[in-house]
Order: sequence, then structure tokens, then C-alpha cells
Amino acid sequence: SQELEQSPQSLIVQEGKNLTINCTSSKTLYGLYWYKQKYGEGLIFLMMLQKGGEEKSHEKITAKLDEKKQQSSLHITASQPSHAGIYLCGADGDSSASKIIFGSGTRLSIRP
Amino acid sequence: DAGVTQSPTHLIKTRGQHVTLRCSPISGHKSVSWYQQVLGQGPQFIFQYYEKEERGRGNFPDRFSARQFPNYSSELNVNALLLGDSALYLCASSRPDRGTDTQYFGPGTRLTVL
Repeated sequence: SQELEQSPQSLIVQEGKNLTINCTSSKTLYGLYWYKQKYGEGLIFLMMLQKGGEEKSHEKITAKLDEKKQQSSLHITASQPSHAGIYLCGADGDSSASKIIFGSGTRLSIRP
Repeated sequence: DAGVTQSPTHLIKTRGQHVTLRCSPISGHKSVSWYQQVLGQGPQFIFQYYEKEERGRGNFPDRFSARQFPNYSSELNVNALLLGDSALYLCASSRPDRGTDTQYFGPGTRLTVL
């Protein structure tokens, strides 16, 4: 079965600094999702990547899917307190069902 | 448009009891998926329903069941609650008929089993 590993597990960054979160899959990724979660709340959809080499940006967040489609990175530029939360990567787990396999998440804290 | 809604927000039950969680999808979304998120972990897939039929089931015991209604809302039922069922239960809706299956999540129901 497919597994996703995220690194780092937690991150504390000074406000204004850049940061990167990585997501590595045990199998080829056919659909890679990035979500953000405030502690104990629902998931907010950020981006979806499907093609090898694809890169998408939204405001100060950029996500990339590598050419071999087994790794994705999420990069935040000039971090702000509003970026704090848990970032989860997820992969399409089953072609016959809407099933996402998630990594265990990266907890991001922003230090003022 | 309203997003995915879930009720109740919080719930406290004791071992052995039964619980029903409810989810209303985004208008026009015909697919609902349920996930369990234990503290410190990523969400785990429980069920998917599409057009009122079960399309997928995760590795959960038969104590967990679900259904989808004609208006595409859904219920998740858990019988004979165990302490380990304490978790955040998330519902997500999507439109697989549109060629994209991005799932949009609700705020979750926090279940505590004592």
C-alpha cells in the first residue's frame, strides 16, 4: 500500500523567513494534494498537482511535483503568522474511489 | 455557496454506546467521503459514497457504517464505541463526474469516548 512521509514533522520559523516542507511517496503519485489544517479543525484545500514537473502557486505558497512523481515540496515565502498550522500532503489512493492517503503532517509555527 | 457542514461539532459518549455523525456536502457535489483523524496523525479513509452507493471502504471494523441520502447528505454510524474511536471525524465532498476529484472538507466532529 502507498505511504507518504512528510518532513520535517514540525518546524518553527521566524516571521518573514522562507521554509520548505517535503512529501515523499513510496509509489508513483498520480494526484498529489496539499491541505492546511488549523489545530483540531477541518482541512483547507491549497493545491493539487498531477503532472511531473508541475508547479503551482497561490499567494506566497508554491508547490512542486518532481519529474519522477514520487516527491512534492511546499515552499512558503516570507512567512506570516497566518501561515501557522498543520500542512498535510495527500495522494489519490484508489482509482475507483475518492480516497486520499495522507501523510502524518508537518506542524508549522511562526515566531513573531 | 456554503461549504461542507457537519454536525454535531463536539460529542462525548461512553464506551459501548452508539453515535451518528452527519454531513451535508457542497451544493452540487454527489460524492461524500468520511475520514478519521486521531491526534497527531493524518486523516484515515473510512468510506466513500457516490450517488448513494458505497464506492470505497477503508480498513475499519464493521462497527462503522454509513449511508447517503437522496439529497446527497450522509451519516456515519459507529456502534459499540471504544476508547480508541476518540478522534476528529471529517467529511469531504467532491464532484468526480466533473473529471476532477478534489475533496473539500468540513470542520469535523470531535468525538470523545469515555
